[in-house]
Amino acid sequence: DTEVTQTPKHLVMGMTNKKSLKCEQHMGHRAMYWYKQKAKKPPELMFVYSYEKLSINESVPSRFSPECPNSSLLNLHLHALQPEDSALYLCASSQDARGATDTQYFGPGTRLTVL
Amino acid sequence: EDQVTQSPEALRLQEGESSSLNCSYTVSGLRGLFWYRQDPGKGPEFLFTLYSAGEEKEKERLKATLTKKESFLHITAPKPEDSATYLCAAPNQAGTALIFGKGTTLSVSS
Repeated sequence: DTEVTQTPKHLVMGMTNKKSLKCEQHMGHRAMYWYKQKAKKPPELMFVYSYEKLSINESVPSRFSPECPNSSLLNLHLHALQPEDSALYLCASSQDARGATDTQYFGPGTRLTVL
Repeated sequence: EDQVTQSPEALRLQEGESSSLNCSYTVSGLRGLFWYRQDPGKGPEFLFTLYSAGEEKEKERLKATLTKKESFLHITAPKPEDSATYLCAAPNQAGTALIFGKGTTLSVSS
């Protein structure tokens, strides 16, 4: 089973709201990732967690705050977002935590709209 | 500079008309080449991982191959349900992040 789940599927929020995206995997993978994807563009890496510790932050604005409560869960806390942050947010996981050389399995994504 | 380039950007095929998608890369010391399929509004679905030049992998109507400079995704006798965007990706030289190509959008008509 290579399933990564994400909730919610869709989210609409105002610029003053605080919301969270959730990602879960039960494959025993040691690395988890957040990506942002705009329409007709490839995914862009935001954060990497390796063994539950933040290992990569691709210069993401502080209005995005990741959290890894345990080895199966990954959250992305959102606060004071801008309309240009509207996108598909993807979570992924990989068995190997040594970097991007192992296969990453993606979740279905959360479609975020910021009004 | 690490780069992954896919061609063509878009491809229209008739059902049953075989073709190939190209993914070229300029990453030194390649440590993996990944193919994904993505349907509109959904997350990328893993297809293949290739690690060595000369390696080939197959799944139903799809076959992925790898050389020292590029990878091909061959589609044999495609069906309308094969319509999607196909992404390829490779780790950057540091091995810390995936570099994605811009994708090839395939449309198969019956």
